[in-house]
Formats: sequence, structure tokens, C-alpha cells
Amino acid sequence: AQSVTQPDIHITVSEGASLELRCNYSYGATPYLFWYVQSPGQGLQLLLKYFSGDTLVQGIKGFEAEFKRSQSSFNLRKPSVHWSDAAEYFCAVGAGNTDKLIFGTGTRLQVFP
Amino acid sequence: EAEVAQSPRYKITEKSQAVAFWCDPISGHATLYWYRQILGQGPELLVQFQDESVVDDSQLPKDRFSAERLKGVDSTLKIQPAELGDSAMYLCASSPRGQGGTEAFFGQGTRLTVV
Repeated sequence: AQSVTQPDIHITVSEGASLELRCNYSYGATPYLFWYVQSPGQGLQLLLKYFSGDTLVQGIKGFEAEFKRSQSSFNLRKPSVHWSDAAEYFCAVGAGNTDKLIFGTGTRLQVFP
Repeated sequence: EAEVAQSPRYKITEKSQAVAFWCDPISGHATLYWYRQILGQGPELLVQFQDESVVDDSQLPKDRFSAERLKGVDSTLKIQPAELGDSAMYLCASSPRGQGGTEAFFGQGTRLTVV
């Protein structure tokens, strides 16, 4: 069965520091992979997606992610974090041919000035 | 910019009462999803529509939950009777065709509190 694991429940970084959020997936075929961000009490905003092709994908707000098939990973990175990046981040895999999303449990990012 | 509209944003209801949520997807999107997000967890699919037909409702608690999308446009999710464990964020999303390889756009959600 498809699944997504985000091993870090909570991460704290200083503003200006680099960031990497981990995501591992389990899926039988080539996955569709997504990163979403959620501010408190809000819906989900898509940061970036991987469908095929170049394994390094660029997203909004300066985020990027790298698909590594051998490691079943799709880690999210940002070279310099801003205070406004504080939020909950969800990794998701698109299941099959229906676009149903399987989400991880999320990583809460806290940014200190 | 086109958005998925949901109402109400917040709902407080008493246990055993009925409650309903409404969702209007982005115009032209054939696929509509209802997800439930319990505090501290990721969203989980409750039901998926392709036009007016249900594609997946395997995780929908059918003894108390119902969903409809009569004309293939907007949708209503109902809970009757509500239980304390139904307290969660209910998210609606839509995508152009739901056949793999397209992204879903999410609404702001409805925060339900059952007391």
C-alpha cells in the first residue's frame, strides 16, 4: 500500500539558516510527489510537484526538492529560511490514476529571529 | 485567481446534531475531493467525485457521513449525527480531471468542533 513518512515532527531553525525537510514514500510505480504548506487554520498551498523528468524541481517561495528513486525520498530544501516560512509542511504521493493524495503526518517548522 | 470556495469556515455543533459543509470547486474542474484532517495529522481522503459520480468513498463512514455532487459542480458533505471524534478540519479540493498527473487545489477548509 502507498504511504508517506515524514520522520521529523517538529523542526526549529534560525532565520537565514538552511532547511531540509525529509520525506520518504512507499509506492510501487513511478510516483507523483508533492509538497504542500499549511499556515494555522488555513488550507493547503502547493509548493512544488514532481511528475517526471528532471529530479530536482523548483517551487514557489524559493523552495526546491529532489526526487531520489534509489532512496524513495523527496526531501524539501531552502537555502535561507525567512520568518514567514513558519508553518506545517506536508509531503504527499499521488496514488494511481485518480490523483488521490496520500499525505504524511507533517513537519511543523518554527523559525527563530 | 480561481479558488475553491468552502463554507462555513468554522462550525460548532453539539453531539448528535446534523451538520453540513459546502464546497464550490474551481470552474471546469471535473474532480472534487473531500479530505478530513484531524489535529496533528495529515489530511485523509473521505470521498472523491468524478463529475457527479463517486470514484472512491472507501474511507467515508457511511453510517453517518454522506456526500453528494448532484450536478457535477458544487458539493455538500453531511454528518448526521455528529460525534465528538468528528472534530477536525474538512478540506475540499478540486483538480481538472483526476486521472493521474494533475495537481489538486485546496480550499480554506471548514473547522468543525463537536461539543
